[in-house]
Amino acid sequence: GENVEQHPSTLSVQEGDSAVIKCTYSDSASNYFPWYKQELGKGPQLIIDIRSNVGEKKDQRIAVTLNKTAKHFSLHITETQPEDSAVYFCAASTTGTASKLTFGTGTRLQVTL
Amino acid sequence: DTGVSQDPRHKITKRGQNVTFRCDPISEHNRLYWYRQTLGQGPEFLTYFQNEAQLEKSRLLSDRFSAERPKGSFSTLEIQRTEQGDSAMYLCASSPNRGKNTGELFFGEGSRLTVL
Repeated sequence: GENVEQHPSTLSVQEGDSAVIKCTYSDSASNYFPWYKQELGKGPQLIIDIRSNVGEKKDQRIAVTLNKTAKHFSLHITETQPEDSAVYFCAASTTGTASKLTFGTGTRLQVTL
Repeated sequence: DTGVSQDPRHKITKRGQNVTFRCDPISEHNRLYWYRQTLGQGPEFLTYFQNEAQLEKSRLLSDRFSAERPKGSFSTLEIQRTEQGDSAMYLCASSPNRGKNTGELFFGEGSRLTVL
């Protein structure tokens, strides 16, 4: 089955700096790669996703890149703000939808003032 | 609030007892999913329904676990003869019909189970 590895497990940045979280996946059939943000005591919430037919997608301060050959994808957050502090999970799916996501182990991002 | 609702939010039980969790998805979402999340880990897929049909089950879902969605609306997840290893957050999520499905899962806030 699919295996998703995520690094780093914790990340501390100063407000205004950029943050990058990286994931690798094992199944070359995976074609859908979402990123979820989980705040304390809440369920995960989708922040951005990318499909295997594109290499990059951007939404305001958040961008995701995908390298199918290397089987890795990354989340980039620019101009970080304190409210970006949370746990971020990458995930992968072979179905093209979210019917069966395999999640990474998460990155705890802390944005300090 | 029209989001995914889970009940109870917290459950403490003794080993060997049975527990049941309920999930009310966003109305009109025909897909419903159960995931399990242990401390410091990402959610792990357990099972998913399309309407009332349970289409896929993970091998994590042992025979002590059973999920139902009898009328294609709310769902229940029952764990029989609980073990300490069942302690986790049980997350429910839903997504809309195929034509409106962007891939996004809408998660509830979870039901945290502690088995003593």
